[in-house]
Formats: sequence, structure tokens, C-alpha cells
Amino acid sequence: AQSVSQHNHHVILSEAASLELGCNYSYGGTVNLFWYVQYPGQHLQLLLKYFSGDPLVKGIKGFEAEFIKSKFSFNLRKPSVQWSDTAEYFCAVNAGGGGYQKVTFGTGTKLQVIP
Amino acid sequence: DTAVSQTPKYLVTQMGNDKSIKCEQNLGHDTMYWYKQDSKKFLKIMFSYNNKELIINETVPNRFSPKSPDKAHLNLHINSLELGDSAVYFCASRLAGGSADTQYFGPGTRLTVL
Repeated sequence: AQSVSQHNHHVILSEAASLELGCNYSYGGTVNLFWYVQYPGQHLQLLLKYFSGDPLVKGIKGFEAEFIKSKFSFNLRKPSVQWSDTAEYFCAVNAGGGGYQKVTFGTGTKLQVIP
Repeated sequence: DTAVSQTPKYLVTQMGNDKSIKCEQNLGHDTMYWYKQDSKKFLKIMFSYNNKELIINETVPNRFSPKSPDKAHLNLHINSLELGDSAVYFCASRLAGGSADTQYFGPGTRLTVL
């Protein structure tokens, strides 16, 4: 069964600091990987996703993530965070087949950006 | 235009009651989901329907019963509500196919059982 681990539960950064949130998954086959963001009181929104091709994926709002297959990792990065990036970030993996997508989410990382 | 909508947004009720949450998507997607997000923000899939057919049914108490009258709607009915059912319930729909394959989430329904 697939699983996702996010080791950072709560991250506090000052504005303009660089961000890297860890995500590791466990599944031996082909995977699709996602990062979602949940702003306070809001629903989940897709930041970026990896299906195939270039392992460095660029998403919205200046976020990017790198898929490293040998490390089973898909870490999220942003060179300079803003106060408006304060949110919960979820890594997710889909290893389902048969055309049906069963996405497993990590436990989330709460990012707090201090002005 | 709202892509995935849920009603109600907030639901406060007593233990033992029966309640329903509705979800509608106007994206033309074939697959819809229900997720439960607990107080620690852990997001867990509950059910998935594809073209009105149940395809994912995780270990969920049978007090929870999804119903899909058509592929644009997936409702969640909960019988005999318990304190532990308090959570935010998210509906999602999926656009399938290649690199576009992703899920779109609704705004959530915050259920509080007293």
C-alpha cells in the first residue's frame, strides 16, 4: 500500500527566507505526485504535480518541487516566502491503477511566515 | 462559477441525529470523492464514485452512506452521529487523463457533533 510521510509538522519562517518541505512516499512502482495548499479556512488547492518527464516541476505562486526517484522524495521549495504563504501544505501520491485515482495524503505541514 | 460546491458549509447537530451533506460539481467530471479531515488536519479518503458506481470504499463505519443520483452529485448521509464524526468533510471531483489528471476540492463542510 502506498503511504506518504511529511516530516516537518510545523515550520516557522521569516519573510524572504527560503523554504523546503520534505515529502517521502513508499511505493515501488510508477507514481503521480502532488502538492496541495490549504489556506486558513479554505479548501485544498493544487500547487503543482508530477506525472512524468522533467523531475523539477514548477507550480503556481513561485513554488517548485523536485522528484528524486532514488530517494522516493518530492520536496517542495520556494526561494523566498511571503506572509501570504502561511497555510497548511499537503503532499499526496497516487499509485492507483485501472484508471481510478486513489490519492493518499500526507499529514500536512503547517507553515507560518512571520512578517 | 463554483466548480465543486458543498452544502451546508457548517453543520452543528446533536449526537444520535441523522444528517446529510450534499456535493455538486459542474465540471463534467466522472469521478467524485469524499474525504474526512480531522482536527489534526489529517485527510483521509472515505469513498469514491465513478459514473454513479462506488469504486472506493475505505474502512468507514456503515453509518456513513454515500449516494450518487447522477455523476454530477455525490451526497453523504450519516446516521446516528457520534462525537468522533466531528471533522471537516471535503468533496472532490476528478478530471481524468494524462497530465491533466487531478482532483478539484470543494470548500468543505465543518461538522460539529455535540
